Amino acid sequence: DPKIIQKPKYLVAVTGSEKILICEQYLGHNAMYWYRQSAKKPLEFMFSYSYQKLMDNQTASSRFQPQSSKKNHLDLQITALKPDDSATYFCASSQDRAEQFFGPGTRLTVL
Amino acid sequence: GDSVTQTEGLVTLTEGLPVMLNCTYQSTYSPFLFWYVQHLNEAPKLLLKSFTDNKRPEHQGFHATLHKSSSSFHLQKSSAQLSDSALYYCALSPNAYKVIFGKGTHLHVLP
Repeated sequence: DPKIIQKPKYLVAVTGSEKILICEQYLGHNAMYWYRQSAKKPLEFMFSYSYQKLMDNQTASSRFQPQSSKKNHLDLQITALKPDDSATYFCASSQDRAEQFFGPGTRLTVL
Repeated sequence: GDSVTQTEGLVTLTEGLPVMLNCTYQSTYSPFLFWYVQHLNEAPKLLLKSFTDNKRPEHQGFHATLHKSSSSFHLQKSSAQLSDSALYYCALSPNAYKVIFGKGTHLHVLP
């Protein structure tokens, strides 16, 4: 059974629209993260959460908003989408400062 | 601030030759260091981690030694295999809930 679920696997959106990327982890970890990976940039840390509380934010744009309804859920809402937002978005989790476990990713394409 | 430097963007070598991927870091804390590997169209996954100075973790024939004196955590393998072709990230965790990844090194092993 997959331990970190990301939905959808692929997502196509039009410029200016809004999308929500879903992430659930069943590893019992106390921290969750969002990363972005594109052809232009390597793996880029975006946010970290612990027990539904924002711990670190390295994303300059307010268009990216994490949402945590449960301690093992961390969704990512992206508003006013731009073509430059096209990337693969990875959710990850960890227990304290231990290794990161990554989900399979959501590949977002903005037209 | 905290940073990770991987000097090589691409390393190409022939199967059977030794591998060395460079990683140096800057941190005001005593960070934890990691190596992650990402195969094509897959998520990154942990290859090695080092939580103790001068201990040499090993996995799948790869090893790395954390040297605080030189702020380095180079990845090595005595004999490259075709299946080692992948993207390798060095990463550091300076504190809880934050992980910084280097730009990554593509390793291409030729037959």
